[in-house]
Amino acid sequence: DAGITQSPRYKITETGRQVTLMCHQTWSHSYMFWYRQDLGHGLRLIYYSAAADITDKGEVPDGYVVSRSKTENFPLTLESATRSQTSVYFCASSGPGQAAIGELFFGEGSRLTVL
Amino acid sequence: QQPVQSPQAVILREGEDAVINCSSSKALYSVHWYRQKHGEAPVFLMILLKGGEQKGHEKISASFNEKKQQSSLYLTASQLSYSGTYFCGTQAGSYQLTFGKGTKLSVIP
Repeated sequence: DAGITQSPRYKITETGRQVTLMCHQTWSHSYMFWYRQDLGHGLRLIYYSAAADITDKGEVPDGYVVSRSKTENFPLTLESATRSQTSVYFCASSGPGQAAIGELFFGEGSRLTVL
Repeated sequence: QQPVQSPQAVILREGEDAVINCSSSKALYSVHWYRQKHGEAPVFLMILLKGGEQKGHEKISASFNEKKQQSSLYLTASQLSYSGTYFCGTQAGSYQLTFGKGTKLSVIP
């Protein structure tokens, strides 16, 4: 099906473990984003990507790693999970724009709990 | 730096109007507005570009004051379906969209 999908939708892990959240979109959108959402903080940008092999840090990148070897995939890895990374993670994509960012299409979110 | 939204929360009765404000300390290229219902992903409402365009979407419209780096979202004749949390997202030059902390809107019968 067309769209943007995230997996897993729910994940419980322990402190220190590595976790990878997957994001896949079928529109061939150039831009992809990872946000985390916490009560009282709204949506905060972790990393974004303008195209395959081009990624850049957002507001809160520490403790996270991203890659984008293919246009359609943008995985987010927590190399050593901490309790402060317990959050809901949203992936989003946006079509090719000129200077302005176009409409963001969000995935359904991945709820991560770090014990 | 996150844009500042106000108010943080508002309660309306059906049919009433509301205004949600968003301000930034940076020179903005564009402002986005999204609505998120509980347990769901944010959904796009509209984009406003530098130039002070005012755009509308059904009974929801918005404005962008480029000189003040402020945007306002206007909800007229509110409906129960308008309930949710509204986020503004701001773009200042780079290809980053930075969101505010949100405004929780509750519409009651």
